[in-house]
Amino acid sequence: DAKTTQPPSMDCAEGRAANLPCNHSTISGNEYVYWYRQIHSQGPQYIIHGLKNNETNEMASLIITEDRKSSTLILPHATLRDTAVYYCIVRGNQFYFGTGTSLTVIP
Amino acid sequence: GAGVSQSPSNKVTEKGKDVELRCDPISGHTALYWYRQRLGQGLEFLIYFQGNSAPDKSGLPSDRFSAERTGESVSTLTIQRTQQEDSAVYLCASSLSSGAAAPAQNTQYFGPGTRLTVL
Repeated sequence: DAKTTQPPSMDCAEGRAANLPCNHSTISGNEYVYWYRQIHSQGPQYIIHGLKNNETNEMASLIITEDRKSSTLILPHATLRDTAVYYCIVRGNQFYFGTGTSLTVIP
Repeated sequence: GAGVSQSPSNKVTEKGKDVELRCDPISGHTALYWYRQRLGQGLEFLIYFQGNSAPDKSGLPSDRFSAERTGESVSTLTIQRTQQEDSAVYLCASSLSSGAAAPAQNTQYFGPGTRLTVL
């Protein structure tokens, strides 16, 4: 499984875009990038996934670089309820969640 | 529809006792995963079941840990002779499948977890 590197923590002002980076330089050609988030005391929640094209859904956008060695999750208008730990995962036989990025949305 | 459920939600036990944790996956999901999350840390993969294939036990930390799954339904994680370092939240997840050819079906849906405290 390819491993991922994320900053341990980030802050974002409420209403602004939150851009969460992830490095996955050892990703192989057929491995997808998944993003999950975990709000305190809850199980992780799926957000979005992609292979090489940018993806958007009702929760977020995912931007994957052309060489696929990194990606950015974008929450376009962060709210206080978006405060959570965000995990970037590259799929193999199982998910390696790492320690993620703790995002704090500030009022 | 019903999501992944886990029981008990909290379990307090004494060091040396055995515990059983239960996971009920989403109906129709062939893949089931167990993870452990210690306080303030990320998820640690434990074991993975896919249909009738032999489970991937590569994440189990010791032979005190075992898990079973009945067909494509309920799974139990058993920890024998519990130690204080076993204290953690144990999370279960399920997905429709786990094949690389169908990434949307690989989305994992998590239960609320069982908080285990070993005194």
